[in-house]
Amino acid sequence: KNQVEQSPQSLIILEGKNCTLQCNYTVSPFSNLRWYKQDTGRGPVSLTIMTFSENTKSNGRYTATLDADTKQSSLHITASQLSDSASYICVVRITGANNLFFGTGTRLTVIP
Amino acid sequence: EAGVAQSPRYKIIEKRQSVAFWCNPISGHATLYWYQQILGQGPKLLIQFQNNGVVDDSQLPKDRFSAERLKGVDSTLKIQPAKLEDSAVYLCASSHGTGANEQFFGPGTRLTVL
Repeated sequence: KNQVEQSPQSLIILEGKNCTLQCNYTVSPFSNLRWYKQDTGRGPVSLTIMTFSENTKSNGRYTATLDADTKQSSLHITASQLSDSASYICVVRITGANNLFFGTGTRLTVIP
Repeated sequence: EAGVAQSPRYKIIEKRQSVAFWCNPISGHATLYWYQQILGQGPKLLIQFQNNGVVDDSQLPKDRFSAERLKGVDSTLKIQPAKLEDSAVYLCASSHGTGANEQFFGPGTRLTVL
């Protein structure tokens, strides 16, 4: 069964600290994996996209990793800011199809 | 470029009433998606259009939900009659094509059914 699981479900960290969000998937055949940021009351916005051959990709203070063998991805946020408070959703696409599989997201709260 | 536009942003109705949502995708994007996002969950695809044709509506509750994209641009999603469990955010997204093309999401319409 194609599933995307994220952990933790929610996370509270102090401003300036780092954090890592996890995504495990059983989706197959794998095409790509995106991390989205969804601010409260807004639609998701893509942060990174990773294909099978990519192990790591950065976008500013966001760094995503992918281990296609273990079917795990992580999103590392460095030097967190209050504006990082949002839900982070892991989305996996199947090869040759339009299907996207969404995780339930990690709700991150950065406090001063 | 302008993003995906949706309206209204919020809607409160009573059960058994009808409601319609509107979406204007990014100019030139052939593919349009409607998602339902229940609080605390990831978005669930309801229907996907390629131009004015339906590509996938397998998860659309067709007894009460309908959607159209008559001219291949704007789209409307209708619920008739609404149930309490339809309370959710309805997201519209568009992409240039299909496959690996990035989907750009609108701000969503938050529906509350009382």
